[in-house]
Amino acid sequence: GAGVSQSPSNKVTEKGKDVELRCDPISGHTALYWYRQSLGQGLEFLIYFQGNSAPDKSGLPSDRFSAERTGGSVSTLTIQRTQQEDSAVYLCASSPLDRGSGETQYFGPGTRLLVL
Amino acid sequence: AQSVTQLGSHVSVSEGALVLLRCNYSSSVPPYLFWYVQYPNQGLQLLLKYTSAATLVKGINGFEAEFKKSETSFHLTKPSAHMSDAAEYFCAVTQRAGANNLFFGTGTRLTVIP
Repeated sequence: GAGVSQSPSNKVTEKGKDVELRCDPISGHTALYWYRQSLGQGLEFLIYFQGNSAPDKSGLPSDRFSAERTGGSVSTLTIQRTQQEDSAVYLCASSPLDRGSGETQYFGPGTRLLVL
Repeated sequence: AQSVTQLGSHVSVSEGALVLLRCNYSSSVPPYLFWYVQYPNQGLQLLLKYTSAATLVKGINGFEAEFKKSETSFHLTKPSAHMSDAAEYFCAVTQRAGANNLFFGTGTRLTVIP
């Protein structure tokens, strides 16, 4: 079956603009994660969705970042008033039933964001 | 809190030589440990994971890793490097209950010399 897909693959925006990044998880996966990969910070956790539970937003770096997951499937990560330090690759991952954190996370190819 | 430390941001080996990528973890509770590989311009792919069964874990492409609690280590090895192994490798940890997100190391870029 299809893996995790993300769109767009590349996004160039101007400082101060808002951007939306999309993630389509593997069908049937109940857990969805967003991570950020940047030169200065490595791979960082941003936010986690599990079923209908309230998302774990503990990794979001500022209130300019938000995410939603509609219908337990597609997720959108929104960055408002983008800054140059937001430039990074944004990775989405999904995993099947939560069985105490041992489930493999399957990663999408990422969206490469460049803020000019 | 959980964290991982990967010693060596760059490792070079000759084709056919042993590959050893080091990972040490810190966790206040028994961890789950993972190794992911990232090929150029691609997403992360799981190589192997430790979830409390056998301490020696075998993964894809001939890689394996051994969980050593006494050393808090989870080093990745492969007996004989292949050119196609050139990539970036990430060690990651998550805890057994509660938060499910992965904490990643800073990565090790493996170069294979022909």
